[in-house]
Amino acid sequence: DAMVIQNPRYQVTQFGKPVTLSCSQTLNHNVMYWYQQKSSQAPKLLFHYYDKDFNNEADTPDNFQSRRPNTSFCFLDIRSPGLGDAAMYLCATSKGTGGNEKLFFGSGTQLSVL
Amino acid sequence: GQNIDQPTEMTATEGAIVQINCTYQTSGFNGLFWYQQHAGEAPTFLSYNVLDGLEEKGRFSSFLSRSKGYSYLLLKELQMKDSASYLCAVRDSNYQLIWGAGTKLIIKP
Repeated sequence: DAMVIQNPRYQVTQFGKPVTLSCSQTLNHNVMYWYQQKSSQAPKLLFHYYDKDFNNEADTPDNFQSRRPNTSFCFLDIRSPGLGDAAMYLCATSKGTGGNEKLFFGSGTQLSVL
Repeated sequence: GQNIDQPTEMTATEGAIVQINCTYQTSGFNGLFWYQQHAGEAPTFLSYNVLDGLEEKGRFSSFLSRSKGYSYLLLKELQMKDSASYLCAVRDSNYQLIWGAGTKLIIKP
């Protein structure tokens, strides 16, 4: 089945220790997104790629970086995680960015920072 | 600013009907989505409305009134597995998705 896969499902890191979250897709979608979601809050868009074009949200901290080496893979790097970065990180894809383009989400990575 | 309002939490009984409301103020409108999100899991797509009216899909229906900036998700014949958060999201004039914080639905036997 075509899908969006995130690894790992749970990640524990130490304060200040760099961590990388990964996402892959078999849907061949053009757009890939990274969202941060904290408990009982709306998902917050960090960045998205349309093909290789990178789009950074204005309020995404510099501590967060992303790479999309090819159509299928996308990575989220957190250079120096703080306690406030503990959250669920959701990767999503869509064919395009038109009105009716729905997002397909991976299962998420729950990040804990000790 | 752009804003999506949904009730924080609702409780309903198994077998009953529940309506979850969503009101929005956005710069432009290019469609409204409803997603279901079980605790600790990713959101999954439920419905999309771009024109006024009711869209029915099995036990779930979604309604839109663009003039009122209002939508609701109607869930019929509630089952225990419907316990989840329901997120409303609107595409604005720049095709950005604006998300609500979600409504946590608790189903009681």
